[in-house]
Amino acid sequence: GQNIDQPTEMTATEGAIVQINCTYQTSGFNGLFWYQQHAGEAPTFLSYNVLDGLEEKGRFSSFLSRSKGYSYLLLKELQMKDSASYLCAVRVSGGSYIPTFGRGTSLIVHP
Amino acid sequence: DTEVTQTPKHLVMGMTNKKSLKCEQHMGHRAMYWYKQKAKKPPELMFVYSYEKLSINESVPSRFSPECPNSSLLNLHLHALQPEDSALYLCASSQDDKGRYEQYFGPGTRLTVT
Repeated sequence: GQNIDQPTEMTATEGAIVQINCTYQTSGFNGLFWYQQHAGEAPTFLSYNVLDGLEEKGRFSSFLSRSKGYSYLLLKELQMKDSASYLCAVRVSGGSYIPTFGRGTSLIVHP
Repeated sequence: DTEVTQTPKHLVMGMTNKKSLKCEQHMGHRAMYWYKQKAKKPPELMFVYSYEKLSINESVPSRFSPECPNSSLLNLHLHALQPEDSALYLCASSQDDKGRYEQYFGPGTRLTVT
């Protein structure tokens, strides 16, 4: 099976930087997705990492270390609209290949 | 067009009712999914269709019955549901079901079973 762990909740200040961590224990790791989900809305795709290193997309960056079973999502220049749940999803090979979601981290950005 | 649409947005049904949820995408995606999401929980996979054939059923009770009439449409037929089935039902699609591509989610149907 898979074990995916994220903090339940984080708070940060507008304009600041926040790092949301995701650790996983799987066999046959084959990629990690980050999604953003605003309350009552659908998840939207943010990033995908399959190789070690940092992927940058504007204010958002995602990092992966396969040897440590660890990823983080870095959000810079936080805005109030970044208040949302951030879901880490891990894909493994040898099975269905469908990513399994972690429980999500609820980020609250305050002025 | 990178949109997945779902109807209805909200649905209230009794335990003896029969209703259907509908999902549509026109991105040419060959994999479509149904997820169930409870408040403050991650989406739970229910069904996967690949090239219009059911490829995964995550041991979902038979009161939920999926249907894929064509490559753009996905339905979820509901019958004799229980109050604990109340949740947000999300439809998603991706280019294929091998997990290499991100999923596009619809806005969901908020289902309440009374």
